[in-house]
Amino acid sequence: DTAVSQTPKYLVTQMGNDKSIKCEQNLGHDTMYWYKQDSKKFLKIMFSYNNKELIINETVPNRFSPKSPDKAHLNLHINSLELGDSAVYFCASSLPAKNIQYFGAGTRLSVL
Amino acid sequence: SQQGEEDPQALSIQEGENATMNCSYKTSINNLQWYRQNSGRGLVHLILIRSNEREKHSGRLRVTLDTSKKSSSLLITASRAADTASYFCATDPSGGYQKVTFGTGTKLQVIP
Repeated sequence: DTAVSQTPKYLVTQMGNDKSIKCEQNLGHDTMYWYKQDSKKFLKIMFSYNNKELIINETVPNRFSPKSPDKAHLNLHINSLELGDSAVYFCASSLPAKNIQYFGAGTRLSVL
Repeated sequence: SQQGEEDPQALSIQEGENATMNCSYKTSINNLQWYRQNSGRGLVHLILIRSNEREKHSGRLRVTLDTSKKSSSLLITASRAADTASYFCATDPSGGYQKVTFGTGTKLQVIP
């Protein structure tokens, strides 16, 4: 069973569209994250939720809205997509004690 | 920002040789972690070293931590072609909900 799964794996869309990425973890972790990895492989945290509560909200355009319906799921909705949003988006989860991150396989978003 | 910087950015070695990657960071940490990312995949946790530890081993991996110099190194001994990947250090300022901050990564190529 995949520990952290995110869908879709690839997302190609036009500028201005709205899209969502879904993430689910079956590790029983309380904390989930969204990261953005750019073309230079720089990995930057965007959001973190602990047991459905938003605890980290980095400087991210408000076109990005995370939603956590329960502690096993964290979705990311992006409005009015821009060219600069093209990147790989990773979902991750962790236990608070050690903060070891367990990553999904990533969603490669291409905005045309 | 507490982002770690890794050195070198890229490293190419022959199979069987040792590979050493370095990470420098800026502020105090509780622990430092190393992750591997294979091409097109998510990051995978390799090893965690706590701030009160100086060295840790796991299989062919050896990690050192020098908190006075705010630096860490990852040594992979007897490298294999399968070790080809990008390697990231990640600093954890504390347990709980503090964010893990990833370094810029070292791209390792092991030539068979």
